[in-house]
Amino acid sequence: KQEVTQIPAALSVPEGENLVLNCSFTDSAIYNLQWFRQDPGKGLTSLLLIQSSQREQTSGRLNASLDKSSGRSTLYIAASQPGDSATYLCAPLGGGFKTIFGAGTRLFVKA
Amino acid sequence: SQTIHQWPATLVQPVGSPLSLECTVEGTSNPNLYWYRQAAGRGLQLLFYSVGIGQISSEVPQNLSASRPQDRQFILSSKKLLLSDSGFYLCAWNNLPYNEQFFGPGTRLTVL
Repeated sequence: KQEVTQIPAALSVPEGENLVLNCSFTDSAIYNLQWFRQDPGKGLTSLLLIQSSQREQTSGRLNASLDKSSGRSTLYIAASQPGDSATYLCAPLGGGFKTIFGAGTRLFVKA
Repeated sequence: SQTIHQWPATLVQPVGSPLSLECTVEGTSNPNLYWYRQAAGRGLQLLFYSVGIGQISSEVPQNLSASRPQDRQFILSSKKLLLSDSGFYLCAWNNLPYNEQFFGPGTRLTVL
């Protein structure tokens, strides 16, 4: 059974700082891994999708890497801004096409 | 472009009452559709997914059911709500099982 852990659970940083969010998963037999952000009371917004054959994906100030063999993914946010404050979720897609979500990292960027 | 709608946005229902939440997708055909629940302080839990009209797979045994009467319509139902059914219900879609998932705005359900 796939288990997904996200570290840290919460993070507070000053504006402008570069930061790394970590995601680990127990079953490396995945098809892809998706990173989402969720604002309070809102749905999930897709940030990046990494296919299992890829090592990383970039979108603007975001860079996500995937090391499938070790069961790890990281989301790197450059030059953080207050608007980046949200909960970030990672979700590997595994057998039976089931996406399993981590509990998320709550990020607060102070102006 | 594709758009996903959910309604109602919020719902307060008494224990034992029925439930019907609706999700519709625009701008795509034959999508895979998903219902998730996010309980307070907990992660997202996959409830149902559908790869086509009338095809429903249930992930968690409970008093909820799902139906897909049309290609781009997905409905979550219950005959009698429980207190434990309270939560944030999210609908999602993708066009292939291993492709990017897109989520709707969600329905906040409170059972009293």
